[in-house]
Amino acid sequence: DVKVTQSSRYLVKRTGEKVFLECVQDMDHENMFWYRQDPGLGLRLIYFSYDVKMKEKGDIPEGYSVSREKKERFSLILESASTNQTSMYLCASRGQAYEQYFGPGTRLTVT
Amino acid sequence: DAKTTQPPSMDCAEGRAANLPCNHSTISGNEYVYWYRQIHSQGPQYIIHGLKNNETNEMASLIITEDRKSSTLILPHATLRDTAVYYCIVRVAPFSLVFGKGTRLSVIA
Repeated sequence: DVKVTQSSRYLVKRTGEKVFLECVQDMDHENMFWYRQDPGLGLRLIYFSYDVKMKEKGDIPEGYSVSREKKERFSLILESASTNQTSMYLCASRGQAYEQYFGPGTRLTVT
Repeated sequence: DAKTTQPPSMDCAEGRAANLPCNHSTISGNEYVYWYRQIHSQGPQYIIHGLKNNETNEMASLIITEDRKSSTLILPHATLRDTAVYYCIVRVAPFSLVFGKGTRLSVIA
C-alpha cells in the first residue's frame, strides 16, 4: 500500500512565524503535490514537484515556498504565516496511472 | 475536462451494496474516469479508475457504460466507515485534482 505521511495533524502558529510542513511518501513516486482545502473553495494546488530539486507553482503559490531535496520528501514552507493561511494542508504523490495518494492532512491554525 | 454530474446525497443500509452514479456525457475517448472519496477531516482517498472496461479492486468496482457517458461506483458491502463524500473525476491525464461537489454517502446501521 502507498503511504503518504505528514509531519503533523494539527498545528497552531502565530502570525509572522515561519512554518514548515513535511510530507514523505514511500512509493518512489516522482510527482508530489501540496494543496490546501477550504470550505466552499475545494482543493487548490499550491506547488508541485516532478523530480528532486524541481518545482512548479500551482494556482495559489503566493506566501508559500517548497523544497524537495530527496525524492521521498516534499516540504511546504510558509515564509511568514498569516491568518488567511489557516487551512487544511494536503500532500499527495502521484502514481503511474495518474492517481494521487494523499496524506492525512495538517490542519493549520494561524492566530 | 469533461463535466460530471453526481447526486448530492445518497443513503445506504449497512451491509448492502452502495451504487453511486456519475454522469459524464461529454467524455472524450482518451479521458479516464477516477473516483476518490473524502471522509470528514481526512485527506482524500483514491478508490479506482478506468477507461473503457469495468474495473474491480479490493475497495470497489467501477462499471462504465458502453458509450462511456456514465459510470457507477459500487461498494459491495457498505459499512459505517464508508460514510464519506465521493467524487467522480473525468480527465485525460489528471495533473492537479479539482473536485466537484460529489455525492455525500451516508451508510445507516
